[in-house]
Amino acid sequence: ETGVTQTPRHLVMGMTNKKSLKCEQHLGHNAMYWYKQSAKKPLELMFVYNFKEQTENNSVPSRFSPECPNSSHLFLHLHTLQPEDSALYLCASSLHLGGSYEQYFGPGTRLTVT
Amino acid sequence: AQKVTQAQTEISVVEKEDVTLDCVYETRDTTYYLFWYKQPPSGELVFLIRRNSFDEQNEISGRYSWNFQKSTSSFNFTITASQVVDSAVYFCALSEADTGNQFYFGTGTSLTVIP
Repeated sequence: ETGVTQTPRHLVMGMTNKKSLKCEQHLGHNAMYWYKQSAKKPLELMFVYNFKEQTENNSVPSRFSPECPNSSHLFLHLHTLQPEDSALYLCASSLHLGGSYEQYFGPGTRLTVT
Repeated sequence: AQKVTQAQTEISVVEKEDVTLDCVYETRDTTYYLFWYKQPPSGELVFLIRRNSFDEQNEISGRYSWNFQKSTSSFNFTITASQVVDSAVYFCALSEADTGNQFYFGTGTSLTVIP
């Protein structure tokens, strides 16, 4: 596998379910990110990890819980979600933190909350 | 306030036409970086280019070219002789040196190339 992979690609869950999104990067990068992409809105940065340590949490509700066990893997644990959380969730990585480093994205998980 | 504005929501062109996608940004930093990404229907954002604020030289890569003008805070993207495979949503993004962890994305321009 190359690049950034995400599983599952599609997920439908009820508001009382608990599920997890997985991201893996095969690029040797040190920083990883979660974004939310909703229709007609700019990408919203949710979380940033650098060398497994969380450096950013952009006021994300606690029903989203990230986990970064190592620099190559990133999870987003979901529980008690709301219908407005339905969106495309994108994972990205970059060699280092900092604006000069381009981010490489995975294909995303299309989440539908019913 | 929106830091990156892509005023064109949707554009349709006929194959082989040239098309320019506009991007206007706002920042007070003297050091910043601009990016363009392509998002095909598969969903994955594909990195196309990065420019830093000190390099205003225009760049050409095959059918793609970028025009960076600090005087108008614009970083426009032109596709020459468009092809159906160019159909995608294109995002412009800004990163500032002082808040480097944050990428500010525009709302994207959906380009449809009609055969």
